[in-house]
Amino acid sequence: SAVISQKPSRDICQRGTSLTIQCQVDSQVTMMFWYRQQPGQSLTLIATANQGSEATYESGFVIDKFPISRPNLTFSTLTVSNMSPEDSSIYLCSGIRGRGSDTQYFGPGTRLTVL
Amino acid sequence: AQTVTQSQPEMSVQEAETVTLSCTYDTSESNYYLFWYKQPPSRQMILVIRQEAYKQQNATENRFSVNFQKAAKSFSLKISDSQLGDTAMYFCASLPPQGGSEKLVFGKGTKLTVNP
Repeated sequence: SAVISQKPSRDICQRGTSLTIQCQVDSQVTMMFWYRQQPGQSLTLIATANQGSEATYESGFVIDKFPISRPNLTFSTLTVSNMSPEDSSIYLCSGIRGRGSDTQYFGPGTRLTVL
Repeated sequence: AQTVTQSQPEMSVQEAETVTLSCTYDTSESNYYLFWYKQPPSRQMILVIRQEAYKQQNATENRFSVNFQKAAKSFSLKISDSQLGDTAMYFCASLPPQGGSEKLVFGKGTKLTVNP
């Protein structure tokens, strides 16, 4: 299994500001993902973080709002920009070592509250 | 596109008893992967069990087992000898075969409460 950590674990932010969430994996993973989990809801994929290139975003998510970096195989960041109360969610990163059939492991999540 | 449906938003069970969580999915693929994840109040998503669709044998992990009915596209999770620590949200998820999008598709989840 892969051990994935996230920082911060939680934060309370003011409307209009930005927050960067860090995700660190203990070993190289081939793919990394960022999810949003709104209160009481399931997980929604935001984007696939690609090493050294622009992330691949899902429908409804854009780079200007959720810029993502992945400078190497073990680290990625997600920024939530120009936040509004609707951005209050848990943000989770995940990774898989292989392709397709491998198990996806998750970080502990970052609980974001926007006032 | 794959879809995953969990029809039980909430369930409860007495400690030491057995409970079954339902999951159905829809896919046009012949091979794929299915998972059950557990999310306790700590928020950590934990893999409970995984099933490869080409394997007819149902996966088991200690007290957790699945009833995989490929023709019916059903993938239920059975928890035996329920423990208080099993209280969590349980998400069923599917993954297309290798060479596909490699994106997990999650159901809406079932909130399980184990009562003492």
